[in-house]
Amino acid sequence: EDKVVQSPLSLVVHEGDTVTLNCSYEVTNFRSLLWYKQEKKAPTFLFMLTSSGIEKKSGRLSSILDKKELFSILNITATQTGDSAVYLCAVEDNNNDMRFGAGTRLTVKP
Amino acid sequence: NAGVMQNPRHLVRRRGQEARLRCSPMKGHSHVYWYRQLPEEGLKFMVYLQKENIIDESGMPKERFSAEFPKEGPSILRIQQVVRGDSAAYFCASSPTAGHYGYTFGSGTRLTVV
Repeated sequence: EDKVVQSPLSLVVHEGDTVTLNCSYEVTNFRSLLWYKQEKKAPTFLFMLTSSGIEKKSGRLSSILDKKELFSILNITATQTGDSAVYLCAVEDNNNDMRFGAGTRLTVKP
Repeated sequence: NAGVMQNPRHLVRRRGQEARLRCSPMKGHSHVYWYRQLPEEGLKFMVYLQKENIIDESGMPKERFSAEFPKEGPSILRIQQVVRGDSAAYFCASSPTAGHYGYTFGSGTRLTVV
């Protein structure tokens, strides 16, 4: 059965800390893995990963995919209170079906 | 706990027909959210419902689209007189408390209008 598992489920850090969020998957006919930041009405797209070993970077956020071990990580350096949100991982397959993980709730304290 | 159940997974409708998409939230969850994902675009918020009430429908088109979450049964997203542009994946999420974060997504319904 296809599944997407995120860990940890929740995380509390202080401003300036670096965090690593994990997403592992078992999906038939994998096509891409996506990371979203959920804080308001709709998740905000962060990254789409399709190839192993190629890091994607946007400011203090970066992400990488390992298609052999079937996981991805999302790193946030020098965290700020504005990074507090739920981070969702989703995996798309070649049938255009998307499956979401349960999310990691990140709280960044001042 | 079966999670958020959406059905059907795939739905094909001809132009002008009605589409009914169902979402059964997780046990104990009374808040439901509907999203639309268009090709090459992100998730777009449509409507937020709590049992028997529409809390926020600011993302829902004013015509042809409606949503309900009755006291008993699943939440329904209804699209009347579908057009080709309605073809998309529609996702539902549920949460036990209010707030637009920290909730569980269903697997979506892919609507194709031919």
